[in-house]
Amino acid sequence: EAQVTQNPRYLITVTGKKLTVTCSQNMNHEYMSWYRQDPGLGLRQIYYSMNVEVTDKGDVPEGYKVSRKEKRNFPLILESPSPNQTSLYFCASSLSSGRRTDTQYFGPGTRLTVL
Amino acid sequence: AQKVTQAQTEISVVEKEDVTLDCVYETRDTTYYLFWYKQPPSGELVFLIRRNSFDEQNEISGRYSWNFQKSTSSFNFTITASQVVDSAVYFCALSSWQGAQKLVFGQGTRLTINP
Repeated sequence: EAQVTQNPRYLITVTGKKLTVTCSQNMNHEYMSWYRQDPGLGLRQIYYSMNVEVTDKGDVPEGYKVSRKEKRNFPLILESPSPNQTSLYFCASSLSSGRRTDTQYFGPGTRLTVL
Repeated sequence: AQKVTQAQTEISVVEKEDVTLDCVYETRDTTYYLFWYKQPPSGELVFLIRRNSFDEQNEISGRYSWNFQKSTSSFNFTITASQVVDSAVYFCALSSWQGAQKLVFGQGTRLTINP
């Protein structure tokens, strides 16, 4: 089944404790992206990747890191989480990048609480 | 800068009523894409439709229809004969034709269908 998976789905942590949210897609998509969803703000892009080893900042990148060592994986790293990073996080992927915009398909979401 | 406005924060209707969700966008691009996503209570984001800016033909899919009007920068979504299963948060989103493919989301409209 074609899908985007995220782990963990739910996470409660404490301020300053490094964490990684994994994202994997099995559709051979070039483009991957991370968004966060906050009440009243919709979804905002954190980082994106046009292909392996190519990443760039979105609208709200502060406090996050990403890497794209393999085409299928795009982990989101919070080196020192803070309470304002409590949010619902979505990973997304689409077939192509650059030449045209394709539909982005989303993972199931990761609900993160930072105490 | 791109912007999407969904002025209706919450809508509540009785089952079998028709309901229209409004979406107004701003962009300087001459070519772009518009999207609708559904977020049911389970939390995932489900893709509904993608529309090119140069294709103003309205689209119908079962009980769902979309009205794209470039002259008013609107891309409204109508559900005919609503059902309880249509209860969800609906997001309208905008993306450039190519490049970074960032999805700019509206704030979302929470639709409740009462039996």
